Amino acid sequence: NAGVTQTPKFRILKIGQSMTLQCAQDMNHNYMYWYRQDPGMGLKLIYYSVGAGITDKGEVPNGYNVSRSTTEDFPLRLELAAPSQTSVYFCASSYAHRSSNQPQHFGDGTRLSIL
Amino acid sequence: GENVEQHPSTLSVQEGDSAVIKCTYSDSASNYFPWYKQELGKRPQLIIDIRSNVGEKKDQRIAVTLNKTAKHFSLHITETQPEDSAVYFCAASKGENTGFQKLVFGTGTRLLVSP
Repeated sequence: NAGVTQTPKFRILKIGQSMTLQCAQDMNHNYMYWYRQDPGMGLKLIYYSVGAGITDKGEVPNGYNVSRSTTEDFPLRLELAAPSQTSVYFCASSYAHRSSNQPQHFGDGTRLSIL
Repeated sequence: GENVEQHPSTLSVQEGDSAVIKCTYSDSASNYFPWYKQELGKRPQLIIDIRSNVGEKKDQRIAVTLNKTAKHFSLHITETQPEDSAVYFCAASKGENTGFQKLVFGTGTRLLVSP
């Protein structure tokens, strides 16, 4: 299986444009996450989902929206792109397991520049 | 909320030396502490993790120690090799008994191993 797949790999947007970052996983994971990674920094959680139809905000949700209509897909929407949203975006997923933390599996990332 | 601090920000060692990276966390309820390795331009990859009911865990040349009282945990890499050169991130979360975790990441340590 492919694991976590993100598209596109790179994108340049103009200020005020909108776009959707795609994320799909084929591991039947319940949990999915979106992170952003700014240069020289750790990852910060934007949004997460514990299952289809259920999403919630992370540390830095402003300017973003998500949806989870299926178990496999978790797109991240940027409305009115701003220079502060220039970053590398990582999608991750993990398995639901009773009484045990499960590792998060990351995609290859989307490098987004807003000019 | 949880805050994770990581030191040092950069670490240079000679091949064969040991490397130690330290993290502190603020939330005493955190119970899951993974370490990720990220090579340049690549996705973060889990290399080792530890749960709060364990004080130390080893996997070949890598070990992690946890001091719950002091709220800090460390990554130890022995017999370092040039391929260990990467950015290492620690993280902490209050893992639930469903496997779900909201990770808070440190800011990363750039490890350079010179031949």
